[in-house]
Amino acid sequence: GENVEQHPSTLSVQEGDSAVIKCTYSDSASNYFPWYKQELGKRPQLIIDIRSNVGEKKDQRIAVTLNKTAKHFSLHITETQPEDSAVYFCAALDDYKLSFGAGTTVTVRA
Amino acid sequence: GAVVSQHPSRVICKSGTSVKIECRSLDFQATTMFWYRQFPKQSLMLMATSNEGSKATYEQGVEKDKFLINHASLTLSTLTVTSAHPEDSSFYICSARGRGGGYGYTFGSGTRLTVV
Repeated sequence: GENVEQHPSTLSVQEGDSAVIKCTYSDSASNYFPWYKQELGKRPQLIIDIRSNVGEKKDQRIAVTLNKTAKHFSLHITETQPEDSAVYFCAALDDYKLSFGAGTTVTVRA
Repeated sequence: GAVVSQHPSRVICKSGTSVKIECRSLDFQATTMFWYRQFPKQSLMLMATSNEGSKATYEQGVEKDKFLINHASLTLSTLTVTSAHPEDSSFYICSARGRGGGYGYTFGSGTRLTVV
């Protein structure tokens, strides 16, 4: 099965700075890579995703890059704001199942 | 957009009793439902996958007789935790995939189960 590793586990950034979270996956057959934001006690919310035929995707302050050869993908949040504080999960889709990374707790300091 | 309603949001039950969690797709037909468990400060772990009208497929280490999954219709899937024990206390969340597949996975709002 798919194995997704995510780093770092915690990330503290000053408001306005950028945050970067990195994930690697093991199965080269995986073809869809979503990122989720989860607040305490809530459902994961899809914030951005990328398919395997695309190398980069951007949506306002959020961007995701994918390197299929190296089997890693990254989330970039620019101009961070206090409301960006949450747990972020990467995931990889293999055989119609989503495998999640361990999560990154992002804290944006005002 | 696609909506999955999950109930109850919170439940406290006594050890040894059973608890049923429901997930309903409100505006689409959920051909596949995924059930996850999430312990505090941990990731989502897939427990089982169910397709409408067929038996669920359980992940390794998940007891199928303890976590009963029913997906009898295209809009409703249930997870029953039987003979619950304190170690079953967790956040349970469903995710639905609609007809035609694609990449859309819609999460329910989750159920916080506490077994006392």
